[in-house]
Amino acid sequence: QSALTQPASVSGSPGQSITISCTGTSSDVGGYNYVFWYQQHPGKAPKVIIYEVSNRPSGISTRFSGSKSGNTASLTISGLQAEDEADYYCTSYTSSSTWVFGGGTKLTVL
Amino acid sequence: EVQLVESGGGLVQPGGSLRLSCAASGFTFSGYDMHWVRQASGKGLEWVSGIGAAGDTSYADSVKGRFTISRENAKNSVYLQMNSLRVGDTAMYYCARATSGWDYWGQGTLITVSS
Repeated sequence: QSALTQPASVSGSPGQSITISCTGTSSDVGGYNYVFWYQQHPGKAPKVIIYEVSNRPSGISTRFSGSKSGNTASLTISGLQAEDEADYYCTSYTSSSTWVFGGGTKLTVL
Repeated sequence: EVQLVESGGGLVQPGGSLRLSCAASGFTFSGYDMHWVRQASGKGLEWVSGIGAAGDTSYADSVKGRFTISRENAKNSVYLQMNSLRVGDTAMYYCARATSGWDYWGQGTLITVSS
């Protein structure tokens, strides 16, 4: 159950777009469309922003989008806003019937 | 309103045991999978365990054989029995409801394993 690989940090200016990658293996990200993305602000519980690779829950801004190619999933945030500054985590179902998280990415809005 | 409230956290010595509880309200508890996720201070999220609506269970390798998840639908509650605790188990433990992702989370309960 090795953690998925995410960049430790990304940054962007307001209005710009950023993409966070999440790389796994064929036993997790590449093998299932059960990839989820969570946003976590300091001191708060995580919030799901993308489910099953590319779907947005009700109430989540259309500025958030998800995709997957092979063993790598991606989260794109367009039109960056100050409120987007947070930690972002990907997670995937695995062939062992377990779940594995990425190490998390700290997004800084410059 | 969906609410998840964890309890049972605290300070325990290495090798000790604790039982966490998560009381759910505002939804039909018996119809949902429930999970425990933990986060050490300043660190990332780690999935710990899950239990299906049918009672099927799964565990992270790091806790398998030491932790046991269970549910009591009559009490709208999910539990995590933690035995043989290690310093590395120190973390905030969250319970979460599973639908399209873990859509509702509790506020967490803090476990500190230290001598």
